[in-house]
Amino acid sequence: DIQMTQSPSSLSASVGDRVTITCRASQGIFSWLAWYQQKPGKAPKFLIYGTSILQSGVPSRFSGSRSGTDFTLTISSLQPEDFATYYCQQYNTYPYIFGQGTKLEIK
Amino acid sequence: QVHLEQSGAEVKKPGASVKVSCKASGYTFSNYHLFWVRQAPGQGLEWMGMINPVGGDTHYAQSLQGRVTMTRDTSTSTVYMELSSLRSEDTAVYYCARGAYDSSGNLGYWGQGTLVTVSS
Repeated sequence: DIQMTQSPSSLSASVGDRVTITCRASQGIFSWLAWYQQKPGKAPKFLIYGTSILQSGVPSRFSGSRSGTDFTLTISSLQPEDFATYYCQQYNTYPYIFGQGTKLEIK
Repeated sequence: QVHLEQSGAEVKKPGASVKVSCKASGYTFSNYHLFWVRQAPGQGLEWMGMINPVGGDTHYAQSLQGRVTMTRDTSTSTVYMELSSLRSEDTAVYYCARGAYDSSGNLGYWGQGTLVTVSS
C-alpha cells in the first residue's frame, strides 16, 4: 500500500498567519491527491482535488501544490473558521489512504 | 442536489455483524462509485472500500478483507456496508461518500455518518 505521511500532527497558529501542512507519499501518485477539512462532530469537507484544484466555494486563501511526492496545503491568512483538522488523501492506487491528520489550533 | 442519507446509530455486541445503509439521491446512481470511510473516536479517517453501482464490483482495504461486504440495490439507489465479527476496535462513525465530479476517488459528497458502537 502507498503510505501517506502527514506533518505536523498538530499546529498552533494565530489569525492572519500563513500555515503549511505537508503530505509525503511513499511512492509516486502523480497529482491524485485531495485535501479535506474536518470540524468536530462533522463529516469532512472537500477542499482541494488534483493536488491544486480548489473545490467550488472554497476560499482562495487555500492552495495546494506538489513537488515530486511531497504535497502541500497552504492557508495564506488564517481565519477563525479555519481552525480544524486537515487530512490529505491519495487516490492513485487502492487503498485510497488518508494521511494521519493535522490539528490546527488557535495560539 | 446530491444527498447521501445513512441509517441510524447501532449498538452491537462483540462478534455480531452490522449493516449500514446509504441511500443516494439527486443524481444518477449508476454514474458514480460509492466509498466507505470510518473514523474511530478521536482518530483519523480510514478508507474502507468502494463499490461500483454498475455490476457491484468492489475493492476493500486489506485490513478489512474477509469481514466487510459492500452491496448495492439499484432499485432503491442504496448501498450497504456490512461488517462482521465486530470487535471493540470497530467502534467508529461510518461514512459513505461520493466523488465530486467523477469516480476518481476524491470524496466531494459525504453522508451524515452512522455511529456504530461495539460493546458487551
